[in-house]
Amino acid sequence: AQKITQTQPGMFVQEKEAVTLDCTYDTSDQSYGLFWYKQPSSGEMIFLIYQGSYDEQNATEGRYSLNFQKARKSANLVISASQLGDSAMYFCAMREGERGSYIPTFGRGTSLIVHP
Amino acid sequence: DAGITQSPRHKVTETGTPVTLRCHQTENHRYMYWYRQDPGHGLRLIHYSYGVKDTDKGEVSDGYSVSRSKTEDFLLTLESATSSQTSVYFCAISETEMNTEAFFGQGTRLTVV
Repeated sequence: AQKITQTQPGMFVQEKEAVTLDCTYDTSDQSYGLFWYKQPSSGEMIFLIYQGSYDEQNATEGRYSLNFQKARKSANLVISASQLGDSAMYFCAMREGERGSYIPTFGRGTSLIVHP
Repeated sequence: DAGITQSPRHKVTETGTPVTLRCHQTENHRYMYWYRQDPGHGLRLIHYSYGVKDTDKGEVSDGYSVSRSKTEDFLLTLESATSSQTSVYFCAISETEMNTEAFFGQGTRLTVV
């Protein structure tokens, strides 16, 4: 079974609108961390945002926020006020505790295209 | 930017030849990883290291071996390259603490013909 599931292969959004990229995860650990990365067409992997399993508040970083619903095991990325430069692949990832040996596991990614 | 360098950045090789990719870090991070990225599959873990001479297999380790003789270097070897190993290979590093992100190299595009 996949540990990280991203069900949206591709998403389109109009410039200046908000968009939500879905991520669900599967773990039996109580302690874990969730991450989002951006990969533009140039290929580099850029860290965006982190959410810890014990964090009570949703993480925010500028225009990025993470909608963390622990009971549902979801960690959706919300990008507000989309910009053309947000067009990229987005990957959700998880690091688990001892059982997962702290190894980052990635989803298959969502391709986001921002239209002018 | 985290000090992590992959070499080579691009390589074309023939089926059946051995290939070694190098990852070099200047951050003294304990963990180092090799992933491959293929369309529709995201990033899949090949091997990882949690210290000098301490390595373990990942999800897609068949046909690959690794070595880490120094903290800063993590080598990935394709013992006998096959066309199915045509991919983009990423090295990543991280600290142990779970709230720390992984830092990635620029990637190596490998084509096996």
